[in-house]
Amino acid sequence: EVQLHQSGAELVKPGVSVKISCKASGYSFTSYNMHWVKQRPGQAVEWIGVINPESGGTDYNGKFRGKVTLTVDKSSSTAFMQLGSLTPEDTAVYYCARCVYYGLTDWYFDFWGPGTMVTVSS
Amino acid sequence: DILINQSPASLTVSAGEKVTMSCKSSQSLLYSENNQDYLAWYQQKPGQFPKLLIYGASNRHTGVPDRFTGSGSGTDFTLTISSVQAEDLADYYCEQTYSYPYTFGAGTKLELK
Repeated sequence: EVQLHQSGAELVKPGVSVKISCKASGYSFTSYNMHWVKQRPGQAVEWIGVINPESGGTDYNGKFRGKVTLTVDKSSSTAFMQLGSLTPEDTAVYYCARCVYYGLTDWYFDFWGPGTMVTVSS
Repeated sequence: DILINQSPASLTVSAGEKVTMSCKSSQSLLYSENNQDYLAWYQQKPGQFPKLLIYGASNRHTGVPDRFTGSGSGTDFTLTISSVQAEDLADYYCEQTYSYPYTFGAGTKLELK
C-alpha cells in the first residue's frame, strides 16, 4: 500500500527555518517524482516545486525560489522541504504528493501526504 | 504561467441533483506527443488532503464512483457529478500539469441544501 507519512505540525517564530519530511512506503521511492504544494487556510493550492528522488534534480515555482529547498534521502525513502526566513505568510499546510509520469513528463498526483501545518507566529 | 479559471466559486444543491463545474485554461493543455490533456480534478473534504478524482481530463481514478465524470480537451474542461450524494460535500480543484509552474484553479465549493 502506497503511503506518504509527513512530519508533525510546527509552530515557529518569524525569521527561522523549518524542515518538513515526507516518508514514502509501499513503492519504489526513486521511480516517482515528489511534488510539494502549499495551502493557506481557506485558500486554494499553490505548487511549490518538484524533486526527482533518483537524481536529486529540482524545479521550483519562481514564487518560492529562495524560500524553499527540496532534498531527498534515498536510503530512508524520505523527501524533505526546508522553508527559510519564515514570515506569517508562510503559515499554511504543506503537502507532498507523488506524481505519475506519462509520456515525456509528469502527469498527475495520485497519492498525497496528510499535510504538515506550519504556523509562523511570534 | 498558465492561468486556470475555475467556476462557479460555490454551488448549493440538493442530494440527487446533477452538478457541473468548469475549468478553463489560458492555453491548451493537450500534449501533442501523446494526445493527452494534462488536467486533473481533485476533491478535498474539510480537514483532509486533496484526493485525485480525474486525470487526463476524463480518466476516472481507481475507486472513484462513476457518478463523477470529467470531460473536455484543450482549454475547456468540465467535472460533472451525475447525482450528488451527501458525502460529495467538498471543495473541488482542477490542476494543470502541462508546464511549470503547475497551477490550480481557485476551487468550487459544493454545499448541500
